Amino acid sequence: EIVLTQSPGTLSLSPGERATLSCRASQSVSSSYLAWYQQKPGQAPRLLIYGASSRATGIPDRFSGSGSGTDFTLTISRLEPEDFAVYYCQQYGSSPQFTFGPGTKVDIK
Amino acid sequence: QVQLQESGPGLVKPSETLSLTCAVSGYSISSGYYWGWIRQPPGKGLEWIGSIYHSGSTYYNPSLKSRVTISVDTSKNQFSLKLSSVTAADTAVYYCARQRLSAIDYWGQGTLVTVSS
Repeated sequence: EIVLTQSPGTLSLSPGERATLSCRASQSVSSSYLAWYQQKPGQAPRLLIYGASSRATGIPDRFSGSGSGTDFTLTISRLEPEDFAVYYCQQYGSSPQFTFGPGTKVDIK
Repeated sequence: QVQLQESGPGLVKPSETLSLTCAVSGYSISSGYYWGWIRQPPGKGLEWIGSIYHSGSTYYNPSLKSRVTISVDTSKNQFSLKLSSVTAADTAVYYCARQRLSAIDYWGQGTLVTVSS
């Protein structure tokens, strides 16, 4: 079973700053099978990125994903007030099954 | 616009079976994709429970497999979750969702299920 680790646990930044979130897998993950989600309090998660780097429908281009193998990154180029939330990475593996990372909270500094 | 809506009891007694239904609108389950359930204990992260195809083919999280049954009713355009022998550890917000390829692109709003006597 592949385990996902996200870092940092909490990222404290100001609006306008750049956010870099890391997701590391315990084994190599196909880039096609890595996704990122945003979750705000009281809401369901929202798909941001799939296939490691493809933005989902309606997602602003300030969100970008990159990486391969065991190391993946979600970058928010300039934080908007509505971007402060928890972000989860997710991989789809053989079995088949989904595995989520523990999340990174981006909060206002 | 695809919409999913969970329904079911918000309180379940320990050792009993949790039952939830997800009604889908804006898309016919019979047209394709996998449909699944994910849960989130209060203040914690996301855990995938399992998924089903319109044909009835299912796959489950190995850690829950012995207690989970997911079924589909294409005539009603809905699918359901049953989780048996629940304990307090099963208290969570339960989401139903649509799986597109290797990601989850549509989510229900979620429903809190509390396990307590």
